[in-house]
Amino acid sequence: DTGVSQNPRHKITKRGQNVTFRCDPISEHNRLYWYRQTLGQGPEFLTYFQNEAQLEKSRLLSDRFSAERPKGSFSTLEIQRTEQGDSAMYLCASRSGQGHSPLHFGNGTRLTVT
Amino acid sequence: AQTVTQSQPEMSVQEAETVTLSCTYDTSESDYYLFWYKQPPSRQMILVIRQEAYKQQNATENRFSVNFQKAAKSFSLKISDSQLGDAAMYFCAYRIRFVSGNMLTFGGGTRLMVKP
Repeated sequence: DTGVSQNPRHKITKRGQNVTFRCDPISEHNRLYWYRQTLGQGPEFLTYFQNEAQLEKSRLLSDRFSAERPKGSFSTLEIQRTEQGDSAMYLCASRSGQGHSPLHFGNGTRLTVT
Repeated sequence: AQTVTQSQPEMSVQEAETVTLSCTYDTSESDYYLFWYKQPPSRQMILVIRQEAYKQQNATENRFSVNFQKAAKSFSLKISDSQLGDAAMYFCAYRIRFVSGNMLTFGGGTRLMVKP
């Protein structure tokens, strides 16, 4: 169990640029979640995958955001035409399919839009 | 919609003392889970303790215990014999059982400082 891995750890980009983050969940976990956390706040749910299917999307996920999980393994989160309000920590988490299983979080990707 | 409220933005405790962090939640569901997560500075969030709503007995994990009051929709975390390594942000979280996705709803967090 190597834990949930996220890359990059930090990303600084200029407004209007596109960025992509990657998440590698724990290998046997079929459920994967993306959360956004702004400074001093709790994480907010963005989207959820069960295997390769994206089953839930938050209203926070505007049309500039897209997430994929090809083959039900790693996941990517892309933000197009970034805005300063997108600056946040983007957290990935995974868990097994058992109802009581806890979420395991990655270290997150901190995005700064200048 | 479910909401989770942590009314204490910051708490401070002396090393070896006991501290209690508060959490209230609002839901119309009867079957759910409650969690406390710890997020140390610049480190990943880890699970501290979990409570199933259908269990009346309060969960305990070593120095960490909860006071779960279902009728009052209250879920506080007690940390006994506080250690310097307990300093972190603590988040209370809620999840409905038997719902697709089972995504967590988090509170705003409480920053715990431990004084030596």
